[in-house]
Amino acid sequence: DAGVIQSPRHEVTEMGQEVTLRCKPISGHDYLFWYRQTMMRGLELLIYFNNNVPIDDSGMPEDRFSAKMPNASFSTLKIQPSEPRDSAVYFCATARPPAPPPTEAFFGQGTRLTVV
Amino acid sequence: DQQVKQNSPSLSVQEGRISILNCDYTNSMFDYFLWYKKYPAEGPTFLISISSIKDKNEDGRFTVFLNKSAKHLSLHIVPSQPGDSAVYFCGFAGGTSYGKLTFGQGTILTVHP
Repeated sequence: DAGVIQSPRHEVTEMGQEVTLRCKPISGHDYLFWYRQTMMRGLELLIYFNNNVPIDDSGMPEDRFSAKMPNASFSTLKIQPSEPRDSAVYFCATARPPAPPPTEAFFGQGTRLTVV
Repeated sequence: DQQVKQNSPSLSVQEGRISILNCDYTNSMFDYFLWYKKYPAEGPTFLISISSIKDKNEDGRFTVFLNKSAKHLSLHIVPSQPGDSAVYFCGFAGGTSYGKLTFGQGTILTVHP
């Protein structure tokens, strides 16, 4: 398996533009997590899914952020409109059952987002 | 609301010596405590975990200690090697939020040759 695949690897956009980050999970992994890494807050959980259903989105900073998982093979994190403070590295991670709970998650290489 | 805190942003250690990374938490309901390692331009990778019913777990040079009464987690690396230089995140899983996997701020470890 190729692991968790995120695209794009780097994204530079202007303030106010819509940004969409993409993630292809490892096949068979039931859990999918979106994280944001910043110096101040470390690895911050934004939202996670189980079997394509959003379970906890309490980490999503504002209504400008939204995430979807239309099927087991694809998830997106969208920011609209983007702001300079959204600049960070965004990671997607997946974990498989039955490991209760899912302690060993596999991370993608991340998307470095810069909003100017 | 940071339930996990890594109070040392960075740690510098000489090769061959012990590295001790620390983590404090507030919620006593978690089932598992864990450590992940991250190199630059890569995603974090799983390092080691410990169940809440244990107080120690060892894997080669890496040992994790859990002090439930103090709500304190630590990672010992002995002996430290330059290749251990990375950012280390402590985290937790389970409890009332079964599938949730949450991390702290991270500690940058630098091991000097």
